[in-house]
Order: sequence, then structure tokens, then C-alpha cells
Amino acid sequence: GEDVEQSLFLSVREGDSSVINCTYTDSSSTYLYWYKQEPGAGLQLLTYIFSNMDMKQDQRLTVLLNKKDKHLSLRIADTQTGDSAIYFCAETYSGTYKYIFGTGTRLKVLA
Amino acid sequence: EPEVTQTPSHQVTQMGQEVILRCVPISNHLYFYWYRQILGQKVEFLVSFYNNEISEKSEIFDDQFSVERPDGSNFTLKIRSTKLEDSAMYFCASSENAAGDNEQFFGPGTRLTVL
Repeated sequence: GEDVEQSLFLSVREGDSSVINCTYTDSSSTYLYWYKQEPGAGLQLLTYIFSNMDMKQDQRLTVLLNKKDKHLSLRIADTQTGDSAIYFCAETYSGTYKYIFGTGTRLKVLA
Repeated sequence: EPEVTQTPSHQVTQMGQEVILRCVPISNHLYFYWYRQILGQKVEFLVSFYNNEISEKSEIFDDQFSVERPDGSNFTLKIRSTKLEDSAMYFCASSENAAGDNEQFFGPGTRLTVL
């Protein structure tokens, strides 16, 4: 079955690193994504990782994928107040057009 | 930078009424999608559309829902007879093609409130 789970809230201090976690159940996932949603705005793609990769780094963002445990994480280095938003992980797999989203993690950055 | 736009931003309707949510996808994109997010819940896939026909739909997308690309730019979601449980944020998305590494670009959403 398809299920993607995330913790609901995370609070960090400005300048610290944030780690947002996601677990998924479908072992045939091909791509996994991180989207950001700011208040009143749509979903903005931050980064994605192909399922045969373990890690991807893009400036302040590091994605780690543990395929054995079906665990995906997003690390934001030097978190800023502008990073406060809801972060969604999503997956897709061969033979489908749809993305399967997690519940979203609300990140609050304290000044 | 090209973006997906949606109108209206907020729609209030009475139960049983028909609503049409409108989207303008990015102009060179070929695949179009609708998702919805009930308050406090996950973003859920409704339907994908390619080459003027539905390519995939979820169990949520029943006979009350329909999609259309009436012209070369708009993509619409129609709910024939709205129910209270249709209240949600509806997101339109588009992508250049269907491959996994092809980003789905999302619009800002339409908040539908059914009274």
C-alpha cells in the first residue's frame, strides 16, 4: 500500500540545523521529493532524489535516503526565519503519474 | 519565471451547487493534475490529464468530478453537486512530461468552502 508519514511539528533556533524526517511504505518508489509550502502559496519543489541514490546535496539542503528502512530526511543547514513553512515529502513510482504526499511537517524557526 | 495560476483563490458555495475551479498551467507543459488537501490532512491526488483525456484518477474522483481543457490554456475541475466534505484546498499542477524526474509545478490553490 501507499503511505507516507511525517512528524507534524519541528521547532529550531535560527542558525541551527533542521532535520525533517519521512517514512514511506512503497518499496518500488522511483523518485522522492521535498516540497515547501509557505502561507497562502502553492507547493514549491525544493529538491528530489532518485531511489538509487543515498544522498543529494544542494547548497543548504541535504537529502538522505535509507532505502532499506524506507526513510527519507531533509537537513537544512543554518536554518533561517524564512525557512519557516510546511515541508512535504512525496514519492512516485513507475506506472503512475501521481505523487503521494506525506502529512507535512510544520517548521518553526525561532529568532 | 513561468508559473501555474488558479482562480478564484477562494470559492464559497452552497451544498448541492456546481463549482468550476480554473487553472492555467505552464504553457509548454503537456501533463496536468488536480490534488486536494482537506484542512489538517494530506495532499491527495485526484486526477491526471494528458492528450485531452484522463490518464489516471483516484477513488476520490467519482462521477461528481470532471476535468476539461476547454481551450489551449485553461484546465478546469468541475464538481457537479458539492457536498460539505468537498471543502478543501484544491491544487492544480502541470509538468512537461510524466517522467519521475520531471517536476510537477503547483499553483497557489483554490480554497473551496461548502456551506
